[in-house]
Amino acid sequence: QSVLTQPPSASGTPGQRVTISCSGGRSNIGAKTVNWYQQLPGTAPRLLIYTDTQRPSGVPDRFSGSKSGTSASLAISGLQSEDEADYYCAAWDDSLNGPVFGGGTKLTVL
Amino acid sequence: QITLKESGPTLVRPTQTLTLTCTVSGFSLTTGGVGVGWIRQPPGKALEWLALIYWDDDKRYSPSLKNRLTITKDASKNQVVLTLTNMDPVDTATYFCAHRGGAGYFDYWGQGTLVTVSS
Repeated sequence: QSVLTQPPSASGTPGQRVTISCSGGRSNIGAKTVNWYQQLPGTAPRLLIYTDTQRPSGVPDRFSGSKSGTSASLAISGLQSEDEADYYCAAWDDSLNGPVFGGGTKLTVL
Repeated sequence: QITLKESGPTLVRPTQTLTLTCTVSGFSLTTGGVGVGWIRQPPGKALEWLALIYWDDDKRYSPSLKNRLTITKDASKNQVVLTLTNMDPVDTATYFCAHRGGAGYFDYWGQGTLVTVSS
């Protein structure tokens, strides 16, 4: 069971906006910044959002992150077929003294 | 350009010790702020952080696996080595090494290596 809680699945049609939630606690999301990773089938994870809201170079601005209290969200606007992937949230945990991941959300583009 | 590549056995017997090597390029393992972590992913399951080593040789381990894990680095070889003792079939997973970009996130990942534990 993962420390951070994500819905196992999400879906949307091309062009839609979808959001993926990530719930944690005071020792992780409540105290530290949140990062998001995208994992396309059969590939390594790719950093999508770091420090709650920042996008690495090359990540489209269709992807955005937000955080409030002990929860965070990833929003994808203008959904495209190539966005179909697994998405993981992560944050440092002060109690465990290391990073923790969510259980992942499988995004399906209908 | 930062790259990381994992290497090691693809098949391990139960009770054996797994040794994986992460060979890095594009950065130095002794530069201030640098860290390299290991993360694994059982087939069809979520990511799980295992260990992290910093430029100053400070080390962090997952509490649930701490008594089985050892992480070391050899800066002269640009390598980070992870050992996991007493392997069990539940340890079957793809093992990734990744560059710590700061504030607890990993910005560059290796391709991963699948390790199967079976007799």
